[in-house]
Amino acid sequence: AQSVTQPDIHITVSEGASLELRCNYSYGATPYLFWYVQSPGQGLQLLLKYFSGDTLVQGIKGFEAEFKRSQSSFNLRKPSVHWSDAAEYFCAVETSYDKVIFGPGTSLSVIP
Amino acid sequence: ETGVTQTPRHLVMGMTNKKSLKCEQHLGHNAMYWYKQSAKKPLELMFVYNFKEQTENNSVPSRFSPECPNSSHLFLHLHTLQPEDSALYLCASSQTGAGHTGELFFGEGSRLTVL
Repeated sequence: AQSVTQPDIHITVSEGASLELRCNYSYGATPYLFWYVQSPGQGLQLLLKYFSGDTLVQGIKGFEAEFKRSQSSFNLRKPSVHWSDAAEYFCAVETSYDKVIFGPGTSLSVIP
Repeated sequence: ETGVTQTPRHLVMGMTNKKSLKCEQHLGHNAMYWYKQSAKKPLELMFVYNFKEQTENNSVPSRFSPECPNSSHLFLHLHTLQPEDSALYLCASSQTGAGHTGELFFGEGSRLTVL
């Protein structure tokens, strides 16, 4: 079955520290992969996506993610976290042209 | 208005009430979605409409009834709900087919509380 896992339920980092959020997926074909962010009381916003080509993709707000087919992973990274990055982060995979499934999310807290 | 708009933002209803959630998108997309977001659970895809036709019903109980009169509007009619249906209901839209990017555009959600 197609699925997305995010092993870390909650992560706390200090402001200015680097960040890596993990995502693993289970999908038979070449996946379309996404990272979304959700601030409290808000809907989800796309950070970045991978369709094909370069396995390192750049997104908004200084985020990047690397697709590793051999590990079925699509980890999100940021070199220096800002307090405004505190939010819920969701990894997602498109399983058909109109169906996207999401991981359980990772809650990020940032210590000033 | 721009983007995806959901109303009401907050709704409290009894188990015997009938209410509706409304979603409107101003992006010219052809697909619209309902997702349910409960505490400590992944986002659950409920329904998908593509060019007004329902293409996905993810085993949702019949007490939830979707309606998509056109590509810009999506409703979720609610009746005889249970307390466990309390959640944030998110509407999203996307462009499928030509111009497909895979990106979902979300509204801010309707927070539903069932007493």
